[in-house]
Amino acid sequence: GAVVSQHPSWVICKSGTSVKIECRSLDFQATTMFWYRQFPKQSLMLMATSNEGSKATYEQGVEKDKFLINHASLTLSTLTVTSAHPEDSSFYICSATPPGRINYGYTFGSGTRLTVV
Amino acid sequence: AQSVTQLDSHVSVSEGTPVLLRCNYSSSYSPSLFWYVQHPNKGLQLLLKYTSAATLVKGINGFEAEFKKSETSFHLTKPSAHMSDAAEYFCVVSPNTGFQKLVFGTGTRLLVSP
Repeated sequence: GAVVSQHPSWVICKSGTSVKIECRSLDFQATTMFWYRQFPKQSLMLMATSNEGSKATYEQGVEKDKFLINHASLTLSTLTVTSAHPEDSSFYICSATPPGRINYGYTFGSGTRLTVV
Repeated sequence: AQSVTQLDSHVSVSEGTPVLLRCNYSSSYSPSLFWYVQHPNKGLQLLLKYTSAATLVKGINGFEAEFKKSETSFHLTKPSAHMSDAAEYFCVVSPNTGFQKLVFGTGTRLLVSP
């Protein structure tokens, strides 16, 4: 149980275009999901906390207008990188856990490799 | 406030020899502690977790970790390394209450040679 699916696994886009990444909880309802960014050979940096039915909470230094997060249902959160530029190229990972099971550990999606050319 | 320090950025072992990946933590609360493994271009997989129960925690793939409050440590060990263990390992801390942010260590890359 507690499966998180992330799509796409990789995407290449042109500079100036927007890219949407989906994160789905397949067998549980996730009122909260987390979005991380990982630079090569570095740890994960929390970007934002996605809350179902309300605005996301962004970490300091993360541009809200560039990284749009929508959590419209209990099983889906999306991250849209708007007007992408090469410096946005990175590995993006989402995570979630069933309510009341945080002590069992968070489940992570398989990640999305974004390359902006 | 919470923090995690992984003492080694790289650890190299030979196949069949023991593995030790070191992690120290700092937490204002009674923490939950986790070890995750990440293979290249993949998401993170939970190896094991400590959540205030037994201090010696056994995980998947033969890994285990011991929570030592007096030393604020949560080191990851395995008696005998396999080639497939080569990956990046993250020590993670979280408060033991509510939906809280995970705090990641900087990671340790485990290299396994034949």
